[in-house]
Amino acid sequence: AQKVTQAQTEISVVEKEDVTLDCVYETRDTTYYLFWYKQPPSGELVFLIRRNSFDEQNEISGRYSWNFQKSTSSFNFTITASQVVDSAVYFCALSGYNQGGKLIFGQGTELSVKP
Amino acid sequence: ETGVTQTPRHLVMGMTNKKSLKCEQHLGHNAMYWYKQSAKKPLELMFVYNFKEQTENNSVPSRFSPECPNSSHLFLHLHTLQPEDSALYLCASSQARQSSGANVLTFGAGSRLTVL
Repeated sequence: AQKVTQAQTEISVVEKEDVTLDCVYETRDTTYYLFWYKQPPSGELVFLIRRNSFDEQNEISGRYSWNFQKSTSSFNFTITASQVVDSAVYFCALSGYNQGGKLIFGQGTELSVKP
Repeated sequence: ETGVTQTPRHLVMGMTNKKSLKCEQHLGHNAMYWYKQSAKKPLELMFVYNFKEQTENNSVPSRFSPECPNSSHLFLHLHTLQPEDSALYLCASSQARQSSGANVLTFGAGSRLTVL
């Protein structure tokens, strides 16, 4: 069975702090995809990144970076120099090779960045 | 309009009412989805449509009835709901592709449903 665990329910930081959101997944598939989505208070989930299981390179996009480690089944997300606009709920999700949009989501981590 | 639009944004209904949620995408996608987001629970997939054909029903009770008249529109018809059905219902769309697990979903802002 596939499963995604985001152990951190809520995180609160002060602006300009770095923060890491943890994501641990379980799957028996050899080919799979991992995602991060952001859900601001407006409600819509905003796509941040997709990773396939064969690409363990870390990725950096501005203040965002992702650390994918198959050995520990983790796909962690770090925000550097956090800003108030980063306040949102962040979801990690998993999809199997041919599972077309059938994302298995974690519980989400609510990040609050205070000024 | 661009992206994925859902209406109404908020809906309050009694258990005996019939109502519908509407989703429209302006992205030229050919796959559409309904997800349910309940408090304290992960998002759950409800239905998947590819090229207007339903390809997934995730054991959803029959009081939820989806309809996909074309690749741009998706409805969720609601009938005889229960209070525990109160949730945020999110519509999403994507391009269907061969290695479909790679599909990146674009979500709407959701319809917040309250069942009294």
